[in-house]
Amino acid sequence: DTAVSQTPKYLVTQMGNDKSIKCEQNLGHDTMYWYKQDSKKFLKIMFSYNNKELIINETVPNRFSPKSPDKAHLNLHINSLELGDSAVYFCASSQDGSNNEQFFGPGTRLTVL
Amino acid sequence: SQKIEQNSEALNIQEGKTATLTCNYTNYSPAYLQWYRQDPGRGPVFLLLIRENEKEKRKERLKVTFDTTLKQSLFHITASQPADSATYLCALSGYSTLTFGKGTMLLVSP
Repeated sequence: DTAVSQTPKYLVTQMGNDKSIKCEQNLGHDTMYWYKQDSKKFLKIMFSYNNKELIINETVPNRFSPKSPDKAHLNLHINSLELGDSAVYFCASSQDGSNNEQFFGPGTRLTVL
Repeated sequence: SQKIEQNSEALNIQEGKTATLTCNYTNYSPAYLQWYRQDPGRGPVFLLLIRENEKEKRKERLKVTFDTTLKQSLFHITASQPADSATYLCALSGYSTLTFGKGTMLLVSP
């Protein structure tokens, strides 16, 4: 059983489009995250949710909107996609907060043309 | 501003040797420090966590040290194997977040 899953694995789209990435964890964790890893491999936190509530919202354009319908899911919706949004997006989860190990999904490679 | 530095150049070593990776940080007082491994095309995988009041942590062939005075962590892989080739990321925990370094690529040749 996959612990943290993301769909789709690859996403190629045109500038200006709106797209969503889905994430699910079956570990029973309370906290979920979205990270962005750019072309230089720098992994940066975007959002953190604890029990469906937003905890961390780093400096991210408001075109990015996370949604957590329940504790096991954290989806990422992106409006008006720009070239600079091209990156690999990772979902992760942890039992409770950042002091515990985080379990990462396989990543979604987003390419904006 | 907070800064985490890991060797940007790849570390090349021969199989059987000990690999030592460095993580330095500034303007930070983390309570915990974690190390992750990332293979190409995959998400990071947790390896070890060390607390600020711990000097050293071991797990099988892995050893991590944490020196809060030097603001440095060292990550050692003993008896390295080609399968250990990957990028290794250190991450510092703060309030509700983990901040990652850029990682160091380790290449172990047979």
